[in-house]
Formats: sequence, structure tokens, C-alpha cells
Amino acid sequence: DAKTTQPPSMDCAEGRAANLPCNHSTISGNEYVYWYRQIHSQGPQYIIHGLKNNETNEMASLIITEDRKSSTLILPHATLRDTAVYYCLSSNTGKLIFGQGTTLQVKP
Amino acid sequence: GAVVSQHPSWVICKSGTSVKIECRSLDFQATTMFWYRQFPKQSLMLMATSNEGSKATYEQGVEKDKFLINHASLTLSTLTVTSAHPEDSSFYICSARRTGGNANTGELFFGEGSRLTVL
Repeated sequence: DAKTTQPPSMDCAEGRAANLPCNHSTISGNEYVYWYRQIHSQGPQYIIHGLKNNETNEMASLIITEDRKSSTLILPHATLRDTAVYYCLSSNTGKLIFGQGTTLQVKP
Repeated sequence: GAVVSQHPSWVICKSGTSVKIECRSLDFQATTMFWYRQFPKQSLMLMATSNEGSKATYEQGVEKDKFLINHASLTLSTLTVTSAHPEDSSFYICSARRTGGNANTGELFFGEGSRLTVL
């Protein structure tokens, strides 16, 4: 499974969009990009996933570059409850290997 | 979304005893479940892949005789930490993938985790 790299931490103002980047330069053609988040002492929560096309759901939008070497998770209107560790993962085997993720701190 | 339940949510045990943690998919069937371990301020570490009706596949460095995994039905996988020691104290998390869905495209649903403290 491809290795992904993310910035260790980011801040975002409440009510503003949070844009979380992820690099997956060695991703293979059939690997999906997944985003999860983990709030302290809880299990990871699924956010969104995609292969090539941009995706949007009630939680977030996923923008994947045309060469698929990077992606951005967008939380359109961040709230204090969005403070969490966000993980970007890639897989085509059904097995998810977690990196260190990005700690997003949403500030009032 | 689908629900994955873990039990117990927290457990304290004495050193040398065994502890069983259950992972249930409540509203879907799961041929495959995964077990992770997470130490404080660290990321999740995949321990093993649990397959219904067959032996689990362990990641490198994980002792299969210490962490016994049983996946006897399509809705239940159990992890037993045998002869637990203080260094086994951790947050154990399971995840499940819905049976019948594309294994490469469907999302994994995670349980809420089980916190084990070994005295």
C-alpha cells in the first residue's frame, strides 16, 4: 500500500474552510484514497474516499489531483467539534495502514 | 452508517490473566475484520486481519500466540490477550468491512475501541 504524507498539525478558524493536504506520490492506479478522523479516545470515523474523481458528501469534499499524487480534504465550515487527528490513507487491498495524520485544531 | 460495537469499552486486569475483547458488526455482515492497537499519542498500528472461518493473518512483529483472534461468525470477531502484562496496556480498536461489497472500495467501519489496563 502506498505511503501517504501529511503535515503534522494545522490550525483553522471556526467557521472557515479547513483544507487538509495529503501527498501520495507512489499511489498505484487501483488504490483508493481514504480519509478518516479520530477524536481523542474514540475509534476512527470514516469521512470520505475516492479514486479519481472529486467526491463530496455531507461531511466533506475530497479533491484529488489529476495525476493522483496528492489530494485535499475540505471541511467547508469548520466547527470546534471538528478538532481531531485526520488520517489520509490509500489502499487497494482492503487493509488500511495508518500514518501519523494531521492534528487539526479549530480555534474560536 | 454501519455500526461496529466493541465490548468491553474498558477493562482493568491483573498481570498474568487473559482478557477477551469482542468486536461485533451490528447491522451488517463482515467477512473480514481488522484489529489495531494504539498507544498514547501514537497512531493506530495494524495487528492482524481476522477472516471468518479461517485463521487470522498477523502483521510482522505481532505474536499470534499472545493475541488470539477468533472470527467464528460473520458478525463477531474476538481478540484475546493472553497472559497480559503492563506493556500490553493499550487502546485496542477493531474495524469491519461489509460482506458483499467491493473489498477495495468500501469503507471500513471502526468500533469505539477498548482500553486495556494491566496492573
